[in-house]
Amino acid sequence: GQNIDQPTEMTATEGAIVQINCTYQTSGFNGLFWYQQHAGEAPTFLSYNVLDGLEEKGRFSSFLSRSKGYSYLLLKELQMKDSASYLCAVMDSNYQLIWGAGTKLIIKP
Amino acid sequence: ETGVTQTPRHLVMGMTNKKSLKCEQHLGHNAMYWYKQSAKKPLELMFVYSLEERVENNSVPSRFSPECPNSSHLFLHLHTLQPEDSALYLCASSQGGGSGANVLTFGAGSRLTVL
Repeated sequence: GQNIDQPTEMTATEGAIVQINCTYQTSGFNGLFWYQQHAGEAPTFLSYNVLDGLEEKGRFSSFLSRSKGYSYLLLKELQMKDSASYLCAVMDSNYQLIWGAGTKLIIKP
Repeated sequence: ETGVTQTPRHLVMGMTNKKSLKCEQHLGHNAMYWYKQSAKKPLELMFVYSLEERVENNSVPSRFSPECPNSSHLFLHLHTLQPEDSALYLCASSQGGGSGANVLTFGAGSRLTVL
């Protein structure tokens, strides 16, 4: 079966760095997405990786290793507003999105 | 208004009621989706419409009935629901499927409680 694994919950300190991991086993691969979802709000797109390596967007970076079936989202200079759930999703060979259950990130002052 | 708008934001219904969820997108996208989001579970894709034609129906019970009258509007008609159907129902749109970088734009969801 197809599976996406990510930690259920993480806690970090304001101003610090946190890495949220995502491992996947899917039928084929056509890209990996990260979305952010604040409580009671819509998920919003953060990043898309289809080739190996690191993509940087301001304080957020996303890394992909296709051979290892692994990605991470790196958040730097954490701010209180980064408290949210982070959803990892992989597009399989049929262009279907396979979702992880999300990682709830709690930022403490 | 821009983006994806869902109404109502909250809905409480009994098991014998009939209600509808509405979704509207003003992004010019040609694909629309219904997802179910339950606590600590992955998003579950329910229905996909592409160019107003239903292209996916993931074995969803018939008590959920989608309708897509045009490319900007999507409905989810609900009847004789069960308590386990209580969840957040998310609508999303995208420029089109069949490609890798198919970014979804989500609405804020309709929180449904079935008593």
